Amino acid sequence: AQKVTQAQTEISVVEKEDVTLDCVYETRDTTYYLFWYKQPPSGELVFLIRRNSFDEQNEISGRYSWNFQKSTSSFNFTITASQVVDSAVYFCALSDWGGGADGLTFGKGTHLIIQP
Amino acid sequence: EPEVTQTPSHQVTQMGQEVILRCVPISNHLYFYWYRQILGQKVEFLVSFYNNEISEKSEIFDDQFSVERPDGSNFTLKIRSTKLEDSAMYFCASTLTGRDIQYFGAGTRLSVL
Repeated sequence: AQKVTQAQTEISVVEKEDVTLDCVYETRDTTYYLFWYKQPPSGELVFLIRRNSFDEQNEISGRYSWNFQKSTSSFNFTITASQVVDSAVYFCALSDWGGGADGLTFGKGTHLIIQP
Repeated sequence: EPEVTQTPSHQVTQMGQEVILRCVPISNHLYFYWYRQILGQKVEFLVSFYNNEISEKSEIFDDQFSVERPDGSNFTLKIRSTKLEDSAMYFCASTLTGRDIQYFGAGTRLSVL
């Protein structure tokens, strides 16, 4: 069975601080995908990134970066120089590689509050 | 940019009533999904649908739920006899292949009174 753990329920930082959201996953699959989604106060789910289990290279996109470490089953997300607009709930998710219509397994989410 | 559209944005119903939540997936997509998010909790997979049949379903997706693609554009989730605990946000997603990124609609908030 797959499991995603986001141990940080809520994080509050002051604007311009860097913040890292942790994600630890469990799966028996040798190939899989990892995701991050953002859920702003308006409620929709916004896709941020997908990584496959073959590729452990870190990724940077503007102020966002992701650190995937297979050895520790972690896929952490860092926001550099946070802004108020980053305030949202962030979900880490996992799916297998099977190619069928597999559902995503989500973590419980981390509520990120950026204070001005 | 193509997007997944869900209607209505908010549905209020009485316990025991049937509800149908509607989704218009991205037009050339072939795989369709429903998820549920109870307020303040994580997003949970309900069901996936491909080639006019259910592909995968979770243990949440019991006999009171059904899905249908009634025409070439809509994908629906029916809850036969709603319970209070069905109150949640329901998200639809679609993909062209089973390995593509799932992009979600804005969701339908279902309130069962």
